[in-house]
Amino acid sequence: DAGVIQSPRHEVTEMGQEVTLRCKPISGHDYLFWYRQTMMRGLELLIYFNNNVPIDDSGMPEDRFSAKMPNASFSTLKIQPSEPRDSAVYFCASSLVRGGEAFFGQGTRLTVV
Amino acid sequence: TQLLEQSPQFLSIQEGENLTVYCNSSSVFSSLQWYRQEPGEGPVLLVTVVTGGEVKKLKRLTFQFGDARKDSSLHITAAQPGDTGLYLCADNDYKLSFGAGTTVTVRA
Repeated sequence: DAGVIQSPRHEVTEMGQEVTLRCKPISGHDYLFWYRQTMMRGLELLIYFNNNVPIDDSGMPEDRFSAKMPNASFSTLKIQPSEPRDSAVYFCASSLVRGGEAFFGQGTRLTVV
Repeated sequence: TQLLEQSPQFLSIQEGENLTVYCNSSSVFSSLQWYRQEPGEGPVLLVTVVTGGEVKKLKRLTFQFGDARKDSSLHITAAQPGDTGLYLCADNDYKLSFGAGTTVTVRA
């Protein structure tokens, strides 16, 4: 397996624009996590899914953020409208079982200007 | 909400020296994981500890889990520049929550 695949690797957008980040988890993994990483706040869990169902979205900062998992092989994180304070590296991770090893993608570096 | 505290925040040492980083929780861990993150990459799992008092060794890395399962340490013997990175502890019960991490720099 190629591991967790995220796209794009880098995204630069203007404030107010919609941004969509994409993730393909490892095949067969039942858990998918979205994180945001900044120097100030570290690695923050935004939302996680189990079997394509959102289980805990308490980390989603505002209504401007939304995440979907339409099937077992694809998830999106959308920010609309984007703001400069959303600039961060966004990671997607997947794991086979609860409490198991989490495999991370290489992240998407988002810059909102 | 469980709070994970890691210390120190930064650590810079010379190649060949030993180092220890710590992870403490406000409540009991169900299980604890240590990850290392290198610049430009996502975190990678080093070890999972489950049982209080458990000690695991991975080459030059030694992981200890406190008897009460509320704290853990990672000790690196004879550190090498390749050990440079951000070391993160995580509680992986229902969701994978991370501490702020310790940034380790090993100078050649």
